[in-house]
Amino acid sequence: KAGVTQTPRYLIKTRGQQVTLSCSPISGHRSVSWYQQTPGQGLQFLFEYFSETQRNKGNFPGRFSGRQFSNSRSEMNVSTLELGDSALYLCASSPGGANTEAFFGQGTRLTVV
Amino acid sequence: QQPVQSPQAVILREGEDAVINCSSSKALYSVHWYRQKHGEAPVFLMILLKGGEQKGHEKISASFNEKKQQSSLYLTASQLSYSGTYFCDPLGSSGGGADGLTFGKGTHLIIQP
Repeated sequence: KAGVTQTPRYLIKTRGQQVTLSCSPISGHRSVSWYQQTPGQGLQFLFEYFSETQRNKGNFPGRFSGRQFSNSRSEMNVSTLELGDSALYLCASSPGGANTEAFFGQGTRLTVV
Repeated sequence: QQPVQSPQAVILREGEDAVINCSSSKALYSVHWYRQKHGEAPVFLMILLKGGEQKGHEKISASFNEKKQQSSLYLTASQLSYSGTYFCDPLGSSGGGADGLTFGKGTHLIIQP
């Protein structure tokens, strides 16, 4: 069974640009959540999508957005990149029930210069 | 709201026991625990459910305190492979995937030979 796949693994962008990250969940999983991980703040929740609908959202500015497609694949977009957006972006997939295990991808390391 | 984990870091000898705490400002519905090794994605350890039932790792256990506003993770006879950063994700009374996953900042555990 294939795991969660995130692409690209590494990305370098310039301040002001925008970026799109992709996450392919485990087959059959309908929930995809996105997280930002930095040394200072730990794992911070961005948003969760379930069956193409955003089900929950963290406290991030509107520059961070996402979507989910009918095949459950999800994309995350960050517009007008800032230096502080440099982080490891992780996505996690799960079947979507209340107490189900989440499986994480290896993440996309974004560096903004 | 981000839960508070304690201690922030702990160093133990192989074979010693460890306790990691996760506190919330409200009563907990359930708690998910994850471990992340350096350079890797977080990996599911266990779920502690409202009634005290547990699903997950056979050598790791967890409990709620009396008011269910804190959960503790118990690592018995720790092994070198237990080293990593432990994250808790407490779900509030609304439970369910709608809360998303909101992790604490993590507890760094180092097991030495």
